[in-house]
Amino acid sequence: QERLHQWGAGLLKPSETLSLTCAVSGGSFSRYSWRWIRQAPGQGLEWIGEVSQTGSTNYNPSLKSRFAISIDTSKKQFSLNLTSVTVADTAVYYCARGRRVVGAAAGSYWGQGNLVTVSS
Amino acid sequence: DIVLTQSPLSLPVTPGEPASISCRSSQSLLHTDGHNYLDWYLQKPGKSPQLLIYLGSNRASGVPDRFSGSVSGTDFILKISGVEAEDVGVYFCMQALQTVITFGQGTRLDIK
Repeated sequence: QERLHQWGAGLLKPSETLSLTCAVSGGSFSRYSWRWIRQAPGQGLEWIGEVSQTGSTNYNPSLKSRFAISIDTSKKQFSLNLTSVTVADTAVYYCARGRRVVGAAAGSYWGQGNLVTVSS
Repeated sequence: DIVLTQSPLSLPVTPGEPASISCRSSQSLLHTDGHNYLDWYLQKPGKSPQLLIYLGSNRASGVPDRFSGSVSGTDFILKISGVEAEDVGVYFCMQALQTVITFGQGTRLDIK
């Protein structure tokens, strides 16, 4: 199974850009899409979006279009950018395995999570 | 979006006793491939979520056999045959049938 390790800045000021990267090791990177999920303090889990091997993306329509997810298949990494952050974007952000090709194992494995705090 | 409703939201359990958590979906999660696209995860304190059950009733690799999942229509059940102290945490269900993935509210299991 894959192991996911994520990193990025943990403290941002309002209007700055959040950037997180997730590296995948082991398993079959090329057989899955890859997703980002966040959890605000005291709140439930919220799916942000997903990127396929070709770079096509789907985003949660309930979120404003400030998110961008990209993939670097040569490095087995994918990234999340969020522009113009506000206090409401404070959350733990997780990367996770997404949709699979036919025949690949089902279920999702998650990164360790990054607490991102937005504060002036 | 598909709404997943979990119950109970809090579950105190005596060690060794069984436990059951329900996840009810607002729509069928049955894919044309014949599988129900619902997974169960456990988030232990301070940790990221770990996969327990995938496609409704399949136990993930390395998961103890005291965990099991079942499906009846749009009702999904996670059962723990005998709770152990290490099972403490928040259990949640997740559907991946639709493009927009959604989660249950979570059920907090703790030891009496």
